[in-house]
Amino acid sequence: GENVEQHPSTLSVQEGDSAVIKCTYSDSASNYFPWYKQELGKGPQLIIDIRSNVGEKKDQRIAVTLNKTAKHFSLHITETQPEDSAVYFCAASRSARQLTFGSGTQLTVLP
Amino acid sequence: GAGVSQSPSNKVTEKGKDVELRCDPISGHTALYWYRQSLGQGLEFLIYFQGNSAPDKSGLPSDRFSAERTGGSVSTLTIQRTQQEDSAVYLCASSLDRIGNQPQHFGDGTRLSIL
Repeated sequence: GENVEQHPSTLSVQEGDSAVIKCTYSDSASNYFPWYKQELGKGPQLIIDIRSNVGEKKDQRIAVTLNKTAKHFSLHITETQPEDSAVYFCAASRSARQLTFGSGTQLTVLP
Repeated sequence: GAGVSQSPSNKVTEKGKDVELRCDPISGHTALYWYRQSLGQGLEFLIYFQGNSAPDKSGLPSDRFSAERTGGSVSTLTIQRTQQEDSAVYLCASSLDRIGNQPQHFGDGTRLSIL
């Protein structure tokens, strides 16, 4: 089955700096890669996703890149703000059905 | 509201009791998923429904766990004879899943504590 590894487990950045979170996956047939943000006591919220026919996708301050050959994908957050502080999860799947999640990254944006 | 609704939000029960967790998906979403999140961990897939049928039950951890979905809408996850290791947050998600490539949207979960 699929295995997703996520790094780093914790990340602290100064407000205004960029944050990068990286994930690798094992199943070459995976073709859907979402990123979720989870705040304390809440469910995960989808922030961006990418499919395997695309190498990069941007949405305002958030971008995701995918390298299918190397089987890794990354989340980039620019101009970080305190409200970006949360736990971020990457995931991978075939056809967006059973998602396999990474172990999460606790992002702290320091004012 | 328009989102996935889960109840109860918190449940505390004694070891050995049965519990039922409920999920009400986003209106019109045909696919429904259950995940489990242990303290400080990632999400573990449990089961997936397309309509009322469950083509993928591969994640259910034991035969004490079962789930059903009726009317293509509300789903219940039942845990029989609960054990302390069942303590976790149980999350439900739904998606349109018309072509198997739709994003999953999550509820806020049920926090289950087994004493």
